[in-house]
Order: sequence, then C-alpha cells, then structure tokens
Amino acid sequence: AQSVTQLDSHVSVSEGTPVLLRCNYSSSYSPSLFWYVQHPNKGLQLLLKYTSAATLVKGINGFEAEFKKSETSFHLTKPSAHMSDAAEYFCVVRTEENRDDKIIFGKGTRLHILP
Amino acid sequence: DAGVTQSPTHLIKTRGQQVTLRCSPKSGHDTVSWYQQALGQGPQFIFQYYEEEERQRGNFPDRFSGHQFPNYSSELNVNALLLGDSALYLCASSPDLTDQETQYFGPGTRLLVL
Repeated sequence: AQSVTQLDSHVSVSEGTPVLLRCNYSSSYSPSLFWYVQHPNKGLQLLLKYTSAATLVKGINGFEAEFKKSETSFHLTKPSAHMSDAAEYFCVVRTEENRDDKIIFGKGTRLHILP
Repeated sequence: DAGVTQSPTHLIKTRGQQVTLRCSPKSGHDTVSWYQQALGQGPQFIFQYYEEEERQRGNFPDRFSGHQFPNYSSELNVNALLLGDSALYLCASSPDLTDQETQYFGPGTRLLVL
C-alpha cells in the first residue's frame, strides 16, 4: 500500500529565510513524487517532479526537492522565501501497481511568510 | 491556450439532488481526471477518463459517475447528494494516458450541499 505524510500542517518563516516543507512516503513500488502548490482561488500548479532520474530535482520559482530512498523522504526546500510563496503545498506520490495507477495526495502544508 | 477550464465555479444544492460538473481539458490533452478536495484536505482521486471510457477509479461510491465526450471534455455527475459531498471538485488533464507525470489542474468547482 502507498501513502504520503506531510509532517507539518502549517509552517511559518520570515521573508528571506529558508523554507523546508517535509514529506515522507510509503510505497511498495518505485514511486514518482511531485510537489504541487495551490494559491487561493487558483488551480493546483506543479512545482517539480521526481521520476527515477536525478535525486535532486529543481522546480519553478526557486524550489527544489531531494529524493532520499533510505529515508523515504521528498522534502521541499527554497533558500529564500518570498511573500508570494504563501500558499498550500501538496506532496503527491504516484505508483503503478499491476497496471493500476494510484495517485495519493498528502493533506497539505500551509506556508505562511512573515514580513 | 485557455488551460483547463471548469464550470460552474460555485454551486449550491440540497441533499438528495443531483449535480453535473463540467471540464474542458487543456488543448492537446485527451486524458481527464477528477478529484474531490474537502476543506482542509488534499485532493482525492475519483476517476480518470481516456477515449471516452473510465480507466481508473478511486474509492468513491457509484453515486459518482462521469462521462467523456469525443472532444475530450468531461462531466462529473453526483447523484443523491449528501452533506459530505460538499467540497472543491478539481479536474486535471494530461497529454495522454501514457504521460500521467504532468497533470494540469483547473481552478475547480466549489459545491456546497445544504
């Protein structure tokens, strides 16, 4: 069975400081992993994805994530937060088991940026 | 390119009623997936359509059904609405069934069941 756990429901950081949003996953098969961002009243936007290539993945808006198989983690980071980064972030795991494509979203982490 | 569009943006229904939500995929995309996002939760996969057939389904009852048209647009139907069906319903499209790695999401339809 597969699952995804976002360890923090809320994270607050000051503008200009680093961001760390944590995600752990469980999967019986080699997963694909994604981070999406959801701004209020806007659709989900793909930030980045890992699909068994390089373990350090760079995404849009300065975000990146590192796939660590030994820790079953896929944490999202950004060196310097901007006010526009305030949003809800979702970690997503996708696996294909017996031709059954399963996509599981985490419960989300709301990122607050303090001025 | 308009991206993924959904209609209506908001909808209010009462228990027991039926509702139809609509989605037009991004230009060039032929696969459509539907998700339910309850307040404070992540989206949950309902089902996916490709070539006018349901290809995958999540853990949702038969009250949830769908359709895909020859132009790749899709409808989500929910019968016998329950209060717990109140949620944001998201539609996502992808280039084809073999390329599920990148889904483009619409802004959603917010359904309130009273």
